[in-house]
Amino acid sequence: AIRMTQSPSSLSASTGDRVTITCRASQGISSYLAWYQQKPGKAPKLLIYAASTLQSGVPSRFSGSGSGTDFTLTISCLQSEDFATYYCQQYYSYPPTFGGGTKVEIK
Amino acid sequence: EVQLVESGGGLVQPGGSLRLSCAASGFTFSSYEMNWVRQAPGKGLEWVSYISSSGSTIYYADSVKGRFTISRDNAKNSLYLQMNSLRAEDTAVYYCARGVDGGSGLYYFDYWGQGTLVTVSS
Repeated sequence: AIRMTQSPSSLSASTGDRVTITCRASQGISSYLAWYQQKPGKAPKLLIYAASTLQSGVPSRFSGSGSGTDFTLTISCLQSEDFATYYCQQYYSYPPTFGGGTKVEIK
Repeated sequence: EVQLVESGGGLVQPGGSLRLSCAASGFTFSSYEMNWVRQAPGKGLEWVSYISSSGSTIYYADSVKGRFTISRDNAKNSLYLQMNSLRAEDTAVYYCARGVDGGSGLYYFDYWGQGTLVTVSS
């Protein structure tokens, strides 16, 4: 199985900050990568697919980049509603696998 | 509006069985691949099982293969997960999730239910 490693596992930031989360695949996955946001007690929400395509309805302050093994999720101007845990997921080969998550907390 | 509503979770003893259901609405259920994804308390996400739109193709994670069975009833817009020989490590919130073909033969998940908690404990 492809292992997905996210860094950092947690970070503290302030409203208005630019935040970058990294996801690394144990082997090349082209651009077959999705990003999800999960708030406590809620289901994950799809933010980005194909590494950089924003899901309909997701604010443009979210962006994704990368291909191959290294990917990033950037929040350009952190808002209060963005404090959550973020997961990457590869859909290049079975089984689909997720990163361990990055918790974005209020500084 | 797309809605996925899981039910059937609860407390079960090790070695026991449970059947989860997911009721779908707001989209043409029979046209979409479906999945189960779980999340142990305080942990990350783990894909569990996939079923194609017709039900003809099924995949399982190694951790549940031989113990869990996924199925669907397109006439009832419903997805199921029969869980047998349950273990403590199966304790998790189970989500049903709609799959979108990512162009690789695999799927990402664009809609998720609210989840149902399964607790395996004596």
